[in-house]
Amino acid sequence: EDQVTQSPEALRLQEGESSSLNCSYTVSGLRGLFWYRQDPGKGPEFLFTLYSAGEEKEKERLKATLTKKESFLHITAPKPEDSATYLCAVTRLHASGGSYIPTFGRGTSLIVHP
Amino acid sequence: DSGVTQTPKHLITATGQRVTLRCSPRSGDLSVYWYQQSLDQGLQFLIQYYNGEERAKGNILERFSAQQFPDLHSELNLSSLELGDSALYFCASSVDGGSKNIQYFGAGTRLSVL
Repeated sequence: EDQVTQSPEALRLQEGESSSLNCSYTVSGLRGLFWYRQDPGKGPEFLFTLYSAGEEKEKERLKATLTKKESFLHITAPKPEDSATYLCAVTRLHASGGSYIPTFGRGTSLIVHP
Repeated sequence: DSGVTQTPKHLITATGQRVTLRCSPRSGDLSVYWYQQSLDQGLQFLIQYYNGEERAKGNILERFSAQQFPDLHSELNLSSLELGDSALYFCASSVDGGSKNIQYFGAGTRLSVL
């Protein structure tokens, strides 16, 4: 069974204090790893997708990296507006054979204090 | 704005009742996915439709059903509701079900079963 574990569950940072969120996974036939941001009461918003070990993607203060067993979301000099829950998901071919369906982790709740 | 529209935003109903949640995908997207998000379970995949046909099934209860119409909008029907069905229900859409497809999420419907 696919497993996606995110750590820590919650993280409090001061503005400007850089840190990293972890997503470790066990999946047979990984096709892609996705990072989403979710604000309270809203739907997940796509951030990055990574497909192979060693790949890196950047967007503003966020940088995602991928190894064969885990992914990191690095947050550099965060601001209060970066406060959100960050979700990681891995995709592989569904048992039905027709589509690639993501399995989501439980997320890391990030709060950045001014 | 993701381009995915979900209605209603909030739904309050009683146990034993039946409700219908509606989703309009992004323009051009043929695939629609339904997810349930609760505090103890995280984001769980329920079912996927592609161009009107069921493509993949996840942890969807027999009391729940879905369909996708010719105009590509989708409805999720929940019947014989129980207290435990209270959750956020998200719809997502993508071009198809391919491995590199990004899923774009709607804002969700918050269901409260009293």
